[in-house]
Amino acid sequence: GQNIDQPTEMTATEGAIVQINCTYQTSGFNGLFWYQQHAGEAPTFLSYNVLDGLEEKGRFSSFLSRSKGYSYLLLKELQMKDSASYLCAVRDHTGGFKTIFGAGTRLFVKA
Amino acid sequence: DADVTQTPRNRITKTGKRIMLECSQTKGHDRMYWYRQDPGLGLRLIYYSFDVKDINKGEISDGYSVSRQAQAKFSLSLESAIPNQTALYFCATSVAGENTGELFFGEGSRLTVL
Repeated sequence: GQNIDQPTEMTATEGAIVQINCTYQTSGFNGLFWYQQHAGEAPTFLSYNVLDGLEEKGRFSSFLSRSKGYSYLLLKELQMKDSASYLCAVRDHTGGFKTIFGAGTRLFVKA
Repeated sequence: DADVTQTPRNRITKTGKRIMLECSQTKGHDRMYWYRQDPGLGLRLIYYSFDVKDINKGEISDGYSVSRQAQAKFSLSLESAIPNQTALYFCATSVAGENTGELFFGEGSRLTVL
């Protein structure tokens, strides 16, 4: 089976840097995703990692270590609009490439 | 217009009623999914379909059924709704064979079962 853990809530200050961690256990790892979800809206894709290392995309970066079953999402130069839930998700190839989500981390950005 | 459209967006119903949530997409994607979202539990996969003739159970399929009427349409049915099926339901699509396989979500259908 799969298990994905991430903190429930985090608070950070506008302009700062925040790191949201995610640990996972899965038998057929085939990639890790981060999605952003604002309250009352649909999730939107942020990043994808399938090989170890850091992927950078503007203010957002995502890191993966497959041997440790660990990923993080790094948000730089935080803005108030970054207040949202951040969902870690793992794609598993057993049973045909389905994507399983963690419970999400609610990030509050304060002035 | 949205690429992934869900109807209805909101529905209130009573225990025991049959409910259908519909999803249609204009993205031309082969793969479609139904998730439910509950506070503190995140998104949980109900059913998924990789083409019109392929239907697979997800993490929590009991009490639900699906129909893939066409490549562009994937509907979710609750044959006899119960209160613990009150949730926000999302349809999603993805492309087969893409490196990322990112999911594209509809706007969600909020279902309340009284």
